[in-house]
This record gives sequence, structure tokens and C-alpha cells, in this order.
Amino acid sequence: QKEVEQNSGPLSVPEGAIASLNCTYSDRVSQSFFWYRQYSGKSPELIMSIYSNGDKEDGRFTAQLNKASQYVSLLIRDSQPSDSATYLCAVRGFSNDYKLSFGAGTTVTVRA
Amino acid sequence: NAGVTQTPKFQVLKTGQSMTLQCAQDMNHNSMYWYRQDPGMGLRLIYYSASEGTTDKGEVPNGYNVSRLNKREFSLRLESAAPSQTSVYFCASSMRTYYEQYFGPGTRLTVT
Repeated sequence: QKEVEQNSGPLSVPEGAIASLNCTYSDRVSQSFFWYRQYSGKSPELIMSIYSNGDKEDGRFTAQLNKASQYVSLLIRDSQPSDSATYLCAVRGFSNDYKLSFGAGTTVTVRA
Repeated sequence: NAGVTQTPKFQVLKTGQSMTLQCAQDMNHNSMYWYRQDPGMGLRLIYYSASEGTTDKGEVPNGYNVSRLNKREFSLRLESAAPSQTSVYFCASSMRTYYEQYFGPGTRLTVT
């Protein structure tokens, strides 16, 4: 079982819609969770971090964490063509000496 | 404030050649990391340095060595390049080990 799993996509959404990305993780005692955005040919860019159960909003982005169900999600509201990218979920776990484990990413395409 | 910088941006090596990838950060971060990214594999940690003077192996350290030259600089050396080391290499840094990490622009390495 992979430590961090994401649907690879592509996830295609119309402009202005909500894009919903999901990430599940295997280490039950994971404590820190991060979302990165990566444009094609570029490096990952940190967009959100979340540590506690519940929702955290930053602009058009909302991260949702449910530790009991071991998932973290990212919502992108009012999606724009500039949001077209691959989104990486990263989890800081306990079982691997607190190292960050990255998912393979979900590719999002926003249709104009 | 340049963030994390990496040199070179592109490199082509022949099997058996050696080279050093350079990374520097100007954010006064304590921890630095080297990752490789391959299609479908996500980001995998090669080595990291939790603080100046320390280095530790990550998930895929074989064939690589690192040096934490000072607080700002962290280099990755390939002693005898192999085609399996063809990848995109990212350096990252963070204030606290395994918390929010900030990535450099990457080095695209091809080994023929």
C-alpha cells in the first residue's frame, strides 16, 4: 500500500466551477499535511498546509482534513485556466521517521 | 530574495561520468533536501540535512553523495552516473525539518 494516494486524473472542470481533489494516507498518526501545485516543467510550489481536523481557507483554496478517515482534500473554488496544473499531496508521517511522503499528484485541467 | 537556486538547469552526462548539482538558499532555513522526480513515481527523497553539519539518507540514496557546505549550500554528487539516474532533481529547504518545504527550479539530468 502506498503511503500517500491520489487519483492521477486528469480532472477536467469548467471555468468557474469547484475542483475537488482527494488524498488518502496510510500512517494513522500523521500530523502535518501539505498541498503543492506544480505547473508542467516547473517545480512544486507550496499552496496550503493543514495540521488540525477541519477546514482551512486561503483565498480560493480550502484544505479539509479528516484524521479519523485518513484523508485530506483540496477544493479550488471559481477555478481559472491558470489553476491547470498537477497538485501534489504531501504527508508528514510517523512510521517513516517523520519524513514527507508525496503522492504522485492529480492533474487538473480547467476548461475555458 | 532569490529563495532556492539550483545549478545547472540542464545537464547531459555519459554513463560513468561524475557531476555535482549545486543548491543554495537565502531564507536562513535550517533544513535542506534533495529529491528526484520521475514520471508516475512522485517525488522521492534522496538525502536531507536537518541542520548544518548533518546529513542523512532518504528513500533512494544509492549512487549519490551529499555535502552540506554551510547553512546556505547543499550539494548532490553523482560519482558514476547511470541511465537510471536520468531524472529531474529538486532541492528544497525548510525552517523546521519536514515542515513547509520550498523548492528550487530543478535540474533536468539525462544520462546516456
